[in-house]
Amino acid sequence: DIQMTQSPSSLSASVGDRVTITCRASQGINTYLAWFQQKPGKAPKSLISSASSLQSGVPSRFSGSGSGTVFTLTISSLQPEDFVTYFCLQYNSYPLTFGGGTKVEIK
Amino acid sequence: EVLLLESGGALVQPGGSLRLSCAASGFIFSNFAMSWVRQAPGKGLEWVSDISGSGTITNYADSVKGRFTISRDSSKSTLYLQMNSLRVEDTAAYYCAKDRLFRGPGDSWGQGTLVIVSS
Repeated sequence: DIQMTQSPSSLSASVGDRVTITCRASQGINTYLAWFQQKPGKAPKSLISSASSLQSGVPSRFSGSGSGTVFTLTISSLQPEDFVTYFCLQYNSYPLTFGGGTKVEIK
Repeated sequence: EVLLLESGGALVQPGGSLRLSCAASGFIFSNFAMSWVRQAPGKGLEWVSDISGSGTITNYADSVKGRFTISRDSSKSTLYLQMNSLRVEDTAAYYCAKDRLFRGPGDSWGQGTLVIVSS
């Protein structure tokens, strides 16, 4: 199974900050990597697929990069609604596996 | 607009069974694979299972293989998850999701249904 190690597990930042979240795959997954945002008590929302393709309607302050084993999600300027939890998902091979999540908190 | 509505969650005793349903609308159901993803209280996301659009190909996480069965009824645009031999560790919110063209849950998810396994 492919393990997805997501870091950090939490971070504190301020509105307007630039933040980066990293997911490392235990083996190469090409660009079969998606990022999701989850608000408390809600279903996950897809932000990015294929490592860097922004989903329709997602603000351009979100961006993704990477291929192979290292991937990043960057939020260029944090907005109040961005202080929630983020997960990565590899869909290169079964079983599909999620990262452990990153909770973005207000400093 | 794509809508996914899960139902069937309940409190069940260890060893019991439950069937979850996910009613889909707003897209051609048989054209898309579907997934179940779960989230234990306060924990991360875990992919559980998926099924091809035709229903002929299924995949499962090791944690549920042999106990859970995914299926679909295109005439009803409904996805199912039959859960047998339930364990305490199966307690979670269960989400259904419409898959991407290649593989994996995409941009449409249901609101979730809660399964609690407890004596």
